Amino acid sequence: EAQVTQNPRYLITVTGKKLTVTCSQNMNHEYMSWYRQDPGLGLRQIYYSMNVEVTDKGDVPEGYKVSRKEKRNFPLILESPSPNQTSLYFCASRPGLAPRGDEQFFGPGTRLTVL
Amino acid sequence: GQNIDQPTEMTATEGAIVQINCTYQTSGFNGLFWYQQHAGEAPTFLSYNVLDGLEEKGRFSSFLSRSKGYSYLLLKELQMKDSASYLCAVSRSGGYQKVTFGIGTKLQVIP
Repeated sequence: EAQVTQNPRYLITVTGKKLTVTCSQNMNHEYMSWYRQDPGLGLRQIYYSMNVEVTDKGDVPEGYKVSRKEKRNFPLILESPSPNQTSLYFCASRPGLAPRGDEQFFGPGTRLTVL
Repeated sequence: GQNIDQPTEMTATEGAIVQINCTYQTSGFNGLFWYQQHAGEAPTFLSYNVLDGLEEKGRFSSFLSRSKGYSYLLLKELQMKDSASYLCAVSRSGGYQKVTFGIGTKLQVIP
């Protein structure tokens, strides 16, 4: 089944404790992206990647890191989480740089709470 | 900067037609997405408009006017399962992969 998976789905942690949220897709998609969703603010893009070893900042990259060493994986790293990073996080992927935007597939989401 | 506006909430009756509007101001506009998101779930893709005009997909249609910075999503023959949030999102160039979402319109379908 074609899908985007994220782990963990739920995480409660404390300020300053490094964490990684994994994202994996099995569709051989080139493009992957991370978003956070907060009430009243909507979905905001954190980082995106157009291919292996190619990443760029979205609208809210501060406090986050990403890596794209393999095509299928795009982990989101919080080196020193803070309470303002409490949010619902979505990973997404789509085929590539088509002339028309292709369907973007979203993972199920990771609900993160930083105490 | 980018600015995307859509109504926060709408209510419509089962079987009716509803139009959800989205206006945007952005530099380097490429195209406009519509997504559906049920509560507690991930967004799912509905449409992507690049050119002006109306695109129809079953009960859902999406319209774009690039000159006016305006789009709408038209939902026909509303069903209870259409109760969800509808997200308007703009794809921008200079980073073709940059996508900015509006806050979303929460649609409630009532019997």
